[in-house]
Amino acid sequence: GESVGLHLPTLSVQEGDNSIINCAYSNSASDYFIWYKQESGKGPQFIIDIRSNMDKRQGQRVTVLLNKTVKHLSLQIAATQPGDSAVYFCAEPLNSGYSTLTFGKGTMLLVSP
Amino acid sequence: ETGVTQSPTHLIKTRGQQVTLRCSSQSGHNTVSWYQQALGQGPQFIFQYYREEENGRGNFPPRFSGLQFPNYSSELNVNALELDDSALYLCASSPTPGGYGYTFGSGTRLTVV
Repeated sequence: GESVGLHLPTLSVQEGDNSIINCAYSNSASDYFIWYKQESGKGPQFIIDIRSNMDKRQGQRVTVLLNKTVKHLSLQIAATQPGDSAVYFCAEPLNSGYSTLTFGKGTMLLVSP
Repeated sequence: ETGVTQSPTHLIKTRGQQVTLRCSSQSGHNTVSWYQQALGQGPQFIFQYYREEENGRGNFPPRFSGLQFPNYSSELNVNALELDDSALYLCASSPTPGGYGYTFGSGTRLTVV
């Protein structure tokens, strides 16, 4: 089946830097995307979502950008903190009925103090 | 409001044995989805339960089965355990069968030896 994937397996940044995590998706019909954060020993935690009729959506210190032309998503984290260290996944509904989510492999974000 | 709780947190089983994992959904959520997450991978959809019926299934063999109870809690059963079944098993509940509002539990770490 079609899947969501990530470009970089590991991203190392310094505290205070801005982080950008990228994701490529293959299903051009996808109309909803979600970013999750997963800390060690915990389940995925919702960060932010975006619908395909939007190019950008902002949350608290996070921004998601959607480029439908090249089927690319990015998650920007401003002023990255050590507590942001985790694995980040993008996900999309598996079908138009949104019956489940398809996850990419994930990107590990390491934030150094 | 309580979140999604899973039990047990860790489990060690022998190849060929059977295992039952349990999940209590978040208050107000009627749909439960189960995911398998191998080390270093994104979660893979196993199946979803809605109104005590299986509502969708991923690419997993029949020895993976489940139940949902009238209080919306759920069980995942795996028969004839194989070494490759070693993974983190995540339960997610949502207010509808759709891809919105998923809340994940912290998972059960299953090790098959």
